[in-house]
Amino acid sequence: SQQGEEDPQALSIQEGENATMNCSYKTSINNLQWYRQNSGRGLVHLILIRSNEREKHSGRLRVTLDTSKKSSSLLITASRAADTASYFCATGRQSTGGYQKVTFGTGTKLQVIP
Amino acid sequence: NAGVTQTPKFRVLKTGQSMTLLCAQDMNHEYMYWYRQDPGMGLRLIHYSVGEGTTAKGEVPDGYNVSRLKKQNFLLGLESAAPSQTSVYFCASRRGRGPSDTQYFGPGTRLTVL
Repeated sequence: SQQGEEDPQALSIQEGENATMNCSYKTSINNLQWYRQNSGRGLVHLILIRSNEREKHSGRLRVTLDTSKKSSSLLITASRAADTASYFCATGRQSTGGYQKVTFGTGTKLQVIP
Repeated sequence: NAGVTQTPKFRVLKTGQSMTLLCAQDMNHEYMYWYRQDPGMGLRLIHYSVGEGTTAKGEVPDGYNVSRLKKQNFLLGLESAAPSQTSVYFCASRRGRGPSDTQYFGPGTRLTVL
């Protein structure tokens, strides 16, 4: 199964509302990243949070990480129609081969209705 | 900088045909990756490279081969395409394996195998 599991799978909100997405994982990690993917496009990196950090902000984005619960959340405040996209979490951990293994979850599809 | 580019953007193959997907990055990144994205599966790592002349298997390597003859290019080959390889393929690159090094993704190649 995927290392990262996002919840909910789909979310529909009105413009201006806040959107919260959650990611749970199973093993210890070095970092966790959130990506956005617009329909038919590649992934765009949003934010990275290290395992020793608890919260990080970037513009309207707020990411929290709780390593004891093995979970992270992405909060988008004051959502806009342009935020409509799929959001993926990706966990990074050191593999036995010496490289950092990045594992993606299945994503949350966010729709922001104007 | 163009970042990460992929060619072609779309391709339709018949079962048994072969093709090569090209990924190029102009950021002088050491690490490069090939993923496939399927509905409900997130991104799964096919092969990766930690430097020029190196390749390694990822999570789902069967049916694919790769080469990294030049640092800026990472090629993904399908020798005998199968319908199960219908997917969207993403290439990514990364500067290093530090915990703050993020992956940069290409726009994707949509492949259909009939």
